[in-house]
Amino acid sequence: QQQVRQSPQSLTVWEGETAILNCSYENSAFDYFPWYQQFPGEGPALLIAIRSVSDKKEDGRFTIFFNKREKKLSLHITDSQPGDSATYFCAALGGGTGSKLSFGKGAKLTVSP
Amino acid sequence: GPKVLQIPSHQIIDMGQMVTLNCDPVSNHLYFYWYKQILGQQMEFLVNFYNGKVMEKSKLFKDQFSVERPDGSYFTLKIQPTALEDSAVYFCASSFMGGDEQYFGPGTRLTVL
Repeated sequence: QQQVRQSPQSLTVWEGETAILNCSYENSAFDYFPWYQQFPGEGPALLIAIRSVSDKKEDGRFTIFFNKREKKLSLHITDSQPGDSATYFCAALGGGTGSKLSFGKGAKLTVSP
Repeated sequence: GPKVLQIPSHQIIDMGQMVTLNCDPVSNHLYFYWYKQILGQQMEFLVNFYNGKVMEKSKLFKDQFSVERPDGSYFTLKIQPTALEDSAVYFCASSFMGGDEQYFGPGTRLTVL
């Protein structure tokens, strides 16, 4: 059973636009949601994370919006740059899952100059 | 951010052989993890390890798998014997606390022939 779902699977935006990546989850016990950025041939790098007590987390051009009632969250990347082109993974942890992260399948973002 | 190192980056072995994947976690971290990623699929949790013991493992963590971290050296994943379906990229991660931010290494690409 897929615990974490991401959409779209791929997204192309122009440089300077805002990219929006969506994520939803099944387990209402999840309380920590990190987003990871992965470039080809590299490991996933922790980008930004939010806990379920918050509805928004901002770090520079990256913002997570979180809706606990609907079990949805989204990652907004404002003023997208070609260097943001990567695969982004939404993940979740908490409750009865202990400390193991459940990952979505990833979203490939391409930022065209 | 904090760096996790993995050795080797690639490993090719024949089915039935033993393989050991090595991870050098972040120096003050106490929790260690292995995840498996098959090409095109999401990252899947294998096992986590704390205070010299396996805390949790998934159904992917078969009897042929073992982990250890002798005397604060590398955190290792050993597969003995290997099977064709073990071909994947294996990522090591570490965190200071369970349920805390997990930092990933660059991965070891394992090919079983």
